[in-house]
Amino acid sequence: GEDVEQSLFLSVREGDSSVINCTYTDSSSTYLYWYKQEPGAGLQLLTYIFSNMDMKQDQRLTVLLNKKDKHLSLRIADTQTGDSAIYFCAPRPGANNLFFGTGTRLTVIP
Amino acid sequence: GAGVSQSPSNKVTEKGKDVELRCDPISGHTALYWYRQSLGQGLEFLIYFQGNSAPDKSGLPSDRFSAERTGGSVSTLTIQRTQQEDSAVYLCASSLPGVGGYTFGSGTRLTVV
Repeated sequence: GEDVEQSLFLSVREGDSSVINCTYTDSSSTYLYWYKQEPGAGLQLLTYIFSNMDMKQDQRLTVLLNKKDKHLSLRIADTQTGDSAIYFCAPRPGANNLFFGTGTRLTVIP
Repeated sequence: GAGVSQSPSNKVTEKGKDVELRCDPISGHTALYWYRQSLGQGLEFLIYFQGNSAPDKSGLPSDRFSAERTGGSVSTLTIQRTQQEDSAVYLCASSLPGVGGYTFGSGTRLTVV
């Protein structure tokens, strides 16, 4: 399997940028996903990056991938209170199932 | 359907009873996954179905847990002789094969009392 690690908590002020970090162990991970879970809801796919990319930008979201260090990050620009949620990093080795980290609970302070 | 549907949304059961949780995936999605999310924990993989292949059951925590997928569509996760440590949110997801991410249902919150 794959070990995926994330910090459990992150607090930021509204309008600031948030950076959520993730490390993983399986270097064969070809696609790496970020999911968002709001209270009482299932997981919502936010974005993903192919392993042959270093960066992907999607509106306020920027994903950075360092394959050498097996490090993935998600930056949310101009963080809003609606961004408060748990964010999961999920690498996918090949065609196998996704492995999820413990999730990072982002709290946005008004 | 438009999304992944799970039922019931909440289930309270007595210790020792059997429960069945249902997942109705997106039409045409050949892959179906069950995960468990305990309070304050990440997602724990349980089982994975892909088309007509034998399911990957490597994540099932004990032989009290089993799952079926009938006709390549609806899936049922069965927990026999429930224990208090089975209390969690059980999430189902489906996907097409390949690069796409999963689409998750809203989950079934199981409470064993």
